[in-house]
Amino acid sequence: DGGITQSPKYLFRKEGQNVTLSCEQNLNHDAMYWYRQDPGQGLRLIYYSQIVNDFQKGDIAEGYSVSREKKESFPLTVTSAQKNPTAFYLCASTRTGGDSPLHFGNGTRLTVT
Amino acid sequence: EDKVVQSPLSLVVHEGDTVTLNCSYEVTNFRSLLWYKQEKKAPTFLFMLTSSGIEKKSGRLSSILDKKELSSILNITATQTGDSAIYLCARRSQGNLIFGKGTKLSVKP
Repeated sequence: DGGITQSPKYLFRKEGQNVTLSCEQNLNHDAMYWYRQDPGQGLRLIYYSQIVNDFQKGDIAEGYSVSREKKESFPLTVTSAQKNPTAFYLCASTRTGGDSPLHFGNGTRLTVT
Repeated sequence: EDKVVQSPLSLVVHEGDTVTLNCSYEVTNFRSLLWYKQEKKAPTFLFMLTSSGIEKKSGRLSSILDKKELSSILNITATQTGDSAIYLCARRSQGNLIFGKGTKLSVKP
């Protein structure tokens, strides 16, 4: 079955450590996205990529980095520079070239203490 | 600044009630408006609206876009406890979706 896989589901890290969240899709979608969700805040865009080897900052990119070396994969690194990293992170993908809905992964809940 | 505003932020109803959720947006580079339902993890797609005045329906859920008023509503009739979720509205702007904060709906038996 086609879909988006995020791993791990839960992640615990100590403050000051970088951590990488995985996102893989087998939907053959060109565009991929990372959102952060906090209680009462809705979804806020961190980074997005519409094509391999290219990506753009979203509204809250500070303290995060991404790479898009393969069409299927869009990993997100939460660096120690991110001041408040504890959150629920959602990855999504869609086709480009038209209006298509985003398909979401099941998310990774990151807790930094 | 691109904004999507949803109201109410939370709502508690009883089974069988009808609810209307609201979403307003700014017009810059508008392409479409989408509604999602989020229960525990991944938001699931409900509707995509591009044309004003055309209602989209799926079972007890329906949605309509009003481009003149820059808004959309999501209606749920005969609510069930399984409708309890966060309902997210998002506006497509060029390459990405801008989400509102969501409406948390709780349906009591």
